[in-house]
Amino acid sequence: DQQVKQNSPSLSVQEGRISILNCDYTNSMFDYFLWYKKYPAEGPTFLISISSIKDKNEDGRFTVFLNKSAKHLSLHIVPSQPGDSAVYFCAARSSGGSNYKLTFGKGTLLTVNP
Amino acid sequence: DTGVSQDPRHKITKRGQNVTFRCDPISEHNRLYWYRQTLGQGPEFLTYFQNEAQLEKSRLLSDRFSAERPKGSFSTLEIQRTEQGDSAMYLCASTPSAAQPQHFGDGTRLSIL
Repeated sequence: DQQVKQNSPSLSVQEGRISILNCDYTNSMFDYFLWYKKYPAEGPTFLISISSIKDKNEDGRFTVFLNKSAKHLSLHIVPSQPGDSAVYFCAARSSGGSNYKLTFGKGTLLTVNP
Repeated sequence: DTGVSQDPRHKITKRGQNVTFRCDPISEHNRLYWYRQTLGQGPEFLTYFQNEAQLEKSRLLSDRFSAERPKGSFSTLEIQRTEQGDSAMYLCASTPSAAQPQHFGDGTRLSIL
């Protein structure tokens, strides 16, 4: 049972426009969410995160929004650049217990066209 | 700043052979994680170390898998009697504390012939 879902396998946008990547989760115990970017032949690179006590976190061109009641989060990239083309993974974790392991979605391949 | 280092980057072996992977976390990161990623999926948690103690193992980690982290520094993941289904990318991540995001290495890609 997928606890973190990224329902769009791929997304294509024009350079300079906004990219919106979506993520849904089912586990109410998740209280911290992260986005990772992955280029081919490299490991995931941390991008931005948000705690469940917030509904928005911004870092430069990247903003993550969290809607706890809908169990939904989204990553906005504005403006999109060709170098943003990569697979984006949504991940979640629970503070319950002590291991803080991450649960990942299947990823969304973003292609930014020049 | 040295990131998480994994060795080898790619391992090709015949079914039934044993393989061992190594992960060197970022210096002073006491929390170390192993994940496995198969084609079209996100990384899946395998096991977690805090210092030298292995504190959790996923049910994905069958008895053919063993992981160690002697002295709380580097970690090794061994797979005995490899099977076709073991073909995957094995990722290692480390973090200094629960409040910090995990930083990943570039992974070891295992191919079983």
